[in-house]
This record gives sequence, structure tokens and C-alpha cells, in this order.
Amino acid sequence: DTAVSQTPKYLVTQMGNDKSIKCEQNLGHDTMYWYKQDSKKFLKIMFSYNNKELIINETVPNRFSPKSPDKAHLNLHINSLELGDSAVYFCASSQAGRGGEQYFGPGTRLTVT
Amino acid sequence: DAKTTQPPSMDCAEGRAANLPCNHSTISGNEYVYWYRQIHSQGPQYIIHGLKNNETNEMASLIITEDRKSSTLILPHATLRDTAVYYCIVRVANRDDKIIFGKGTRLHILP
Repeated sequence: DTAVSQTPKYLVTQMGNDKSIKCEQNLGHDTMYWYKQDSKKFLKIMFSYNNKELIINETVPNRFSPKSPDKAHLNLHINSLELGDSAVYFCASSQAGRGGEQYFGPGTRLTVT
Repeated sequence: DAKTTQPPSMDCAEGRAANLPCNHSTISGNEYVYWYRQIHSQGPQYIIHGLKNNETNEMASLIITEDRKSSTLILPHATLRDTAVYYCIVRVANRDDKIIFGKGTRLHILP
């Protein structure tokens, strides 16, 4: 009965590779987000989608491309991985009009070597 | 930048009430106070939010001062599992908007 799930939980890869992280929510929410938590533990928004449409796109390199096949899924594809991309990536979801609280997934720890 | 100020860390004895303060002197009339926490290696977890009245749920109580410039999150009977970083956030409710996380307060529950 997991509300927001992410796969994989851990991802170790080499510089220059392309990788994807998947997120799914079964809460019926219409908005999903990607946040990045760096080594200093700062949590920052990257993207958000509402009903499959991009509504927030912070200053993120073009190598990062979110894709939302439907409102229950928001995947994050990263091209040409760099050492600085190493971080924990969290997916979240929310429903407008219900108070604004966001529900977060367990995170994906990406390590680029 | 986050619009709140929190102490970087606090200790609380197990079984006692943990009172976490937050200053938000520039809060706007339509902004709510939200609290989240992040237990080590987990995703942030929503705790509670309020506008101006005190709020209580199964996890915590939220006390907001009358001028709304500060608030206190109360965990009534802290347990070791409450050890986490607690984030106080101000934002407009009922909107699908980003959360701007500050540094939060690292709460240590002592056995």
C-alpha cells in the first residue's frame, strides 16, 4: 500500500552514462515533483508536473529531463551523468485543494563515479 | 531562500514533550505554517499545518502566536523514533507549489 514509490533505491553508475529514475504514486494526486538533496542535505525542487504538464522547472541542466506518461507517474531521465549529480533524489505528490501537503517517496541515492 | 528561522539542533529526553520553535516574522496573510520532518535516509514526512489557530493531530500540536510571527511544534511524548530533522515552512496552502526547505532543526531524542 505504498503511497509514493521510487525505483531504484540505489543507483551507482559511471560518468557519461544515461540513467532513469522512476516514480509512481497511488494516491490519486494530480501533481508530482522531483527534489534533489545534495551531500550537504539541502533539499531543492527540480521539477513539478500537474496532469502531465510541466509547471515548475527550476534552474536545472538540460541533461535532466522529466517525463510524465500519466498523472500517476513521473520519471527522471539524466543524460551524460557528472560527478556533481551524485545526490538523493526524492519524488513527491500532492493534490490541489486538499491543504497543499506533499507526500514524498523513499528516495533514490545516485552515486556517479 | 527559506522564510523561516529555526535553531540548528535541540535535545529532548525520551518521554518528555519536544517543543520546536520557528520564527517567520515576514509571513503573509495568506501563508500557512507547515511542518515536515526527515528521519535519517527517508523522504520528508508531512506533520501538520495551520493558519492562525492552534492545530492538533495524531502526530503533533502546532501553536501559532497571535501575531503569527512565530510558532511551536509540540511532540507531546517524544520517542527515539522522533529523532529527525524538522522543517518549518511557510507557504500558501491548497496550491501545487514547490516547498522551499531551509536547514531545519535536528532533534535528538535522548534515552
